[in-house]
Amino acid sequence: DQQVKQNSPSLSVQEGRISILNCDYTNSMFDYFLWYKKYPAEGPTFLISISSIKDKNEDGRFTVFLNKSAKHLSLHIVPSQPGDSAVYFCAAADEKLTFGTGTRLTIIP
Amino acid sequence: DSGVTQTPKHLITATGQRVTLRCSPRSGDLSVYWYQQSLDQGLQFLIQYYNGEERAKGNILERFSAQQFPDLHSELNLSSLELGDSALYFCASSRDTGGLTVYEQYFGPGTRLTVT
Repeated sequence: DQQVKQNSPSLSVQEGRISILNCDYTNSMFDYFLWYKKYPAEGPTFLISISSIKDKNEDGRFTVFLNKSAKHLSLHIVPSQPGDSAVYFCAAADEKLTFGTGTRLTIIP
Repeated sequence: DSGVTQTPKHLITATGQRVTLRCSPRSGDLSVYWYQQSLDQGLQFLIQYYNGEERAKGNILERFSAQQFPDLHSELNLSSLELGDSALYFCASSRDTGGLTVYEQYFGPGTRLTVT
């Protein structure tokens, strides 16, 4: 039972354009959401988070949007840079973190 | 560098064997988490320790066990290994207060276990 789903295994975006990564969840008890970025041969790195009482959180080029009624969150990266090429995991928290399967983002120079 | 260290980086062993993975959390972090990532899978939460006590359990097999020591480092023990146990094992730590709220977790580089 996949409680957190990232339906796009991969995404390619031109450098300088906006990258939008999506994540859906099914458990309404999740109260905190996070995005992690992972490079090969490294552990995931925390990127940005959002509490369920908010609908938007911004940190530099990264913005996370939460739509609780749709049980959907998204990560926007603008402008996209070559160093953003990585696998992005969304995670949802109740008393533990549940991760999606990841989306591989490739930024095309 | 997240500040979380894991040893060894790679481990190759045979079916039926037992191995121990080690993790040192970031300075000041009291919680340690273990995750398993199999091929093309997301990270599966195994277990959490907070200040030496087991705090939460996920999809951890009975053949697997963990502990957290007084100096806060943690070990994950995997026994009677099977081919399907081949995976990346990540440790993470966080600076939570001891309540059930999960704060941002910081991950180590992982241990790649190959069972042959």
